[in-house]
Amino acid sequence: GENVEQHPSTLSVQEGDSAVIKCTYSDSASNYFPWYKQELGKRPQLIIDIRSNVGEKKDQRIAVTLNKTAKHFSLHITETQPEDSAVYFCAAFIQGAQKLVFGQGTRLTINP
Amino acid sequence: GAVVSQHPSWVICKSGTSVKIECRSLDFQATTMFWYRQFPKQSLMLMATSNEGSKATYEQGVEKDKFLINHASLTLSTLTVTSAHPEDSSFYICSARDWTSGRRYEQYFGPGTRLTVT
Repeated sequence: GENVEQHPSTLSVQEGDSAVIKCTYSDSASNYFPWYKQELGKRPQLIIDIRSNVGEKKDQRIAVTLNKTAKHFSLHITETQPEDSAVYFCAAFIQGAQKLVFGQGTRLTINP
Repeated sequence: GAVVSQHPSWVICKSGTSVKIECRSLDFQATTMFWYRQFPKQSLMLMATSNEGSKATYEQGVEKDKFLINHASLTLSTLTVTSAHPEDSSFYICSARDWTSGRRYEQYFGPGTRLTVT
């Protein structure tokens, strides 16, 4: 079936430390994996994405890794800052249905 | 580029009335638009997918006669919540995708509409 599992549901880290959020997907045909950041009452904003032909992608303090064999992908945020506090969603593009399926979300809190 | 607007940003209506929400792609042609509903502290749940000029495809459990979707042009899609009830109160978010572009998988989200049914 079409399913994306995300964990942890909440994550609290000290400012300057790293944060890691993990997702697994069920559809082996999925080929696109975006990560969104959503602040309270706002729209989800794409922060990074990765295609299935790439194992890792980095953009400044944010990186995403993909393990196609394990059907697993992760978001890594280094040198966390208070403005990184938000809810983060992973998603996987389901080829057959031509739609994104979202994970349950992770509420990240950066403690000063 | 790739801006999606949504109107209204919030609306309060009485139970039994209908509400229309507009979603517009401002600087690109949206071959596909998506409508999501998000309850507090929950994830985005896809309600339906619409392609320009075609009937919308609804997700399982979403009443198509209650949530009317029209995608009349490549820049506009509307969601009408008919006979709204308090349980329909939620944050409705649209997104758009240009399948013909180089960023064919990327979805651009609107700012959302907060619907409260009293």
